[in-house]
This record gives sequence, structure tokens and C-alpha cells, in this order.
Amino acid sequence: EPEVTQTPSHQVTQMGQEVILRCVPISNHLYFYWYRQILGQKVEFLVSFYNNEISEKSEIFDDQFSVERPDGSNFTLKIRSTKLEDSAMYFCASGSGRSGNTIYFGEGSWLTVV
Amino acid sequence: GNSVTQMEGPVTLSEEAFLTINCTYTATGYPSLFWYVQYPGEGLQLLLKATKADDKGSNKGFEATYRKETTSFHLEKGSVQVSDSAVYFCALSPRLSSGSARQLTFGSGTQLTVLP
Repeated sequence: EPEVTQTPSHQVTQMGQEVILRCVPISNHLYFYWYRQILGQKVEFLVSFYNNEISEKSEIFDDQFSVERPDGSNFTLKIRSTKLEDSAMYFCASGSGRSGNTIYFGEGSWLTVV
Repeated sequence: GNSVTQMEGPVTLSEEAFLTINCTYTATGYPSLFWYVQYPGEGLQLLLKATKADDKGSNKGFEATYRKETTSFHLEKGSVQVSDSAVYFCALSPRLSSGSARQLTFGSGTQLTVLP
């Protein structure tokens, strides 16, 4: 079964450093997402991406965050200057936009900012 | 705006017990409803879904029925197993026009522990 893949599975970075989290969505999907889950808390929406542009973003997704689809397969989340409170599990997801709006998630990238 | 309210956890059951995890939602129109499961150390997996009123989603012995009159989508399983121990998330996705991204709104999650 097709799946969303994410790399790295775990990254430790120093405060102030830039981080890029990578995702390969399911190949025929058109909608791409990043979600975040701080340890023990709710899964929160960050951003959605469709037709090569951001379609929605939450208030969490401020100027330190950016997303890109640099080629036909990858979808990246960049955090420009990490803060301690950015430590979380980051989930990439994709959806076809059809059939009940099902969104499929990757296994997550655990980011620890020290 | 849209919101999902889930039964507070943690929930601890003995193997073969009956499980109910309550979920209610607030949304305009007719959202699609989902249950996702997160096993220890893993990502979010779609467990089941329902896209319209009175639909029943089912998978791996779990069921949930889309009840528009009570705005609920409670998760049930008749006989839980130790391997069902996980965090369960209720979520909704609004029904928007085509081309819209249809983001998910999640509940806070319910930790289920099943003891042998």
C-alpha cells in the first residue's frame, strides 16, 4: 500500500539552527500538509499546500516556517531559527482531495531543540 | 470554527472488555469524520472514517457511526486486545468546494491501555 515517508525520523538541533524536514507524499496525491504534535498534546495543523502554493496556514506557521515542493516528489518543511518550543513530532500528510477527504500521515519526524 | 471534543483519558481495560471512546464535534455543514490511532513510537494511522450521516465506519473490529442529530462519532469495540493499546484521535474534515485543502481538526486524543 502506498505510504507517506518522512526523513529524518529523529533530529537533535541546537537552538537558532535551521532544520529541514523532508517528506515524500503518496505519488498521485495533490494536497500536502504538515502537522505538529508537542509531546502529550493535541495534533495541530500547521500548513496545507496545493497547486504549488500554500492554501491554508495556522497561526503557528509564522515567518520562521516555510514549505517547498522542490521537485515532483519531495515536500519539505524548513524551520529557519529553531526555538526550544519547536521541539515536537512533525507529521507530513497527503490526500487526493477525493473520496471522503482521507488524509494519510507519515510516521513523523521527531525534532528535539536543545 | 470547527472543533472536536474527546473523552478524557487515560482509559484502562482488561482484555476482552467492551470499549467506548466518546467523540463529539462542532462544524458547519457536513464534515467527514475520522478515527486515527497512534501506537507507541509510531505515527498516525487511519483507523476508520465516515463521510455522511448514519454511515458506519469499521476496521479491525472497531466501529463508529456518524450521528448528525447528536453530532457524535463514538468509537466502539466489543472485545479489546492488549495490542489495541494506543492513543486514539477523533478528527473531522470540512466538506468544502473542490480544490480546497480540507485540513483535519483533531481531538485531544485518548490513551487506551489494555491489560492481559
